[in-house]
Amino acid sequence: AQTVTQSQPEMSVQEAETVTLSCTYDTSESNYYLFWYKQPPSRQMILVIRQEAYKQQNATENRFSVNFQKAAKSFSLKISDSQLGDTAMYFCAFGGGSNYKLTFGKGTLLTVNP
Amino acid sequence: SQTIHQWPATLVQPVGSPLSLECTVEGTSNPNLYWYRQAAGRGLQLLFYSVGIGQISSEVPQNLSASRPQDRQFILSSKKLLLSDSGFYLCAWSGATVANTEAFFGQGTRLTVV
Repeated sequence: AQTVTQSQPEMSVQEAETVTLSCTYDTSESNYYLFWYKQPPSRQMILVIRQEAYKQQNATENRFSVNFQKAAKSFSLKISDSQLGDTAMYFCAFGGGSNYKLTFGKGTLLTVNP
Repeated sequence: SQTIHQWPATLVQPVGSPLSLECTVEGTSNPNLYWYRQAAGRGLQLLFYSVGIGQISSEVPQNLSASRPQDRQFILSSKKLLLSDSGFYLCAWSGATVANTEAFFGQGTRLTVV
């Protein structure tokens, strides 16, 4: 079974600075996807970024980028030029394996301070 | 395009009363369906997971049950609610191939048991 670990329950960053959220996972699969989701105070889950395991190039979406280290099974999210609207719970997720079940980490609560 | 509907948005129920939360998906077939519960400021707890009609996997023992009477309908139920059942419930769906494991979430149901 797959596991996803987010070791930082809470983090804070000053507005306009850069912050990195950590995520590690464990799997024996070779083909899978990894995701970062954002859950703002409205509690609506929003997909931030996705990464296919077969692609060596790290995914980027505007101010959000990932550092995908397949051998180390690490998938961190970097947020550049942090904005107040980035304040949210961030979840790392693994998609693949038996029945392609989606597995989530426990989440990291990020607070961006003015 | 695919959409997911979850209702009701909020619910206040007395202890010992029954519960039925419904989730339906449109625009896709044979999705994987999920029910999650989330305490305030906390992570996602996977309650139930379904890969097809009548196929339900329970992740944690609890006072709740789930059913999938149709391909795109997922129902969360309880015969007698407990105070500890209060929380925010999210329904989600994902595709059944590795390239479609991205999850799409409903708006959530805020359940308060009084």
